[in-house]
Amino acid sequence: EVRLLESGGGLVQPGGSLRLSCAASGFSFSTFEMHWVRLAPGKGLQWVSSISGNSRVPYYIDSVKGRFTISRDNSKNTLYLQMNSLGAEDTALYYCAKKYSDSLSYFDSWGQGAPVTVSS
Amino acid sequence: ECVLTQSPATLSLSPGERATLSCRASQSISTYLAWYQQKPGQSPRLLIYDTSNRATGIPARFSGSGSGTDFTLTISSLEPEDFAVYYCQQRSKWPLTFGQGTRLEIK
Repeated sequence: EVRLLESGGGLVQPGGSLRLSCAASGFSFSTFEMHWVRLAPGKGLQWVSSISGNSRVPYYIDSVKGRFTISRDNSKNTLYLQMNSLGAEDTALYYCAKKYSDSLSYFDSWGQGAPVTVSS
Repeated sequence: ECVLTQSPATLSLSPGERATLSCRASQSISTYLAWYQQKPGQSPRLLIYDTSNRATGIPARFSGSGSGTDFTLTISSLEPEDFAVYYCQQRSKWPLTFGQGTRLEIK
């Protein structure tokens, strides 16, 4: 059974930083592209970032470029999201999600979400 | 960016009725669209991918159709567990984008 377990969320002041982690199990982690998707209060889902299995190809939504860094440690089956210069617009529930397959950029497994609140 | 617009925002129906949810793309995305279901306190669940393919374990009452810019998710006969928020997502253009969701509530 695929399991994704996020951690590291919390309350942070504007301009602060947080590092989210996502521990994966139940599948061959290193062979799958992984993603972060967020759900802000009162809004819909928003794709944030992705990273290939070998970490060579990270992508970001424009609004987080230069502030967020996605990475992974395949030896630990763990995905990360380093978030710097956080603003109120980053307040959301952050999900890690597994890509369905090489050719299908959909998400067939999701974690339970890590809440991030940016407030003074 | 490809904007996905879902309608209606809220749909009120009774168990046993047929539900029709719409997703319109701001540009053609061929058939590269998925649907997800999200219940309160739960993570999204993949229902349909590439317009009409049911994901593993998804009941046959869920079906999808469309192409280009207009897509539909149909639930043939609503079960009590189907009342949730539904999102569409496209994979044709970067960045990947989702619709804002349709809330399916019990009438």
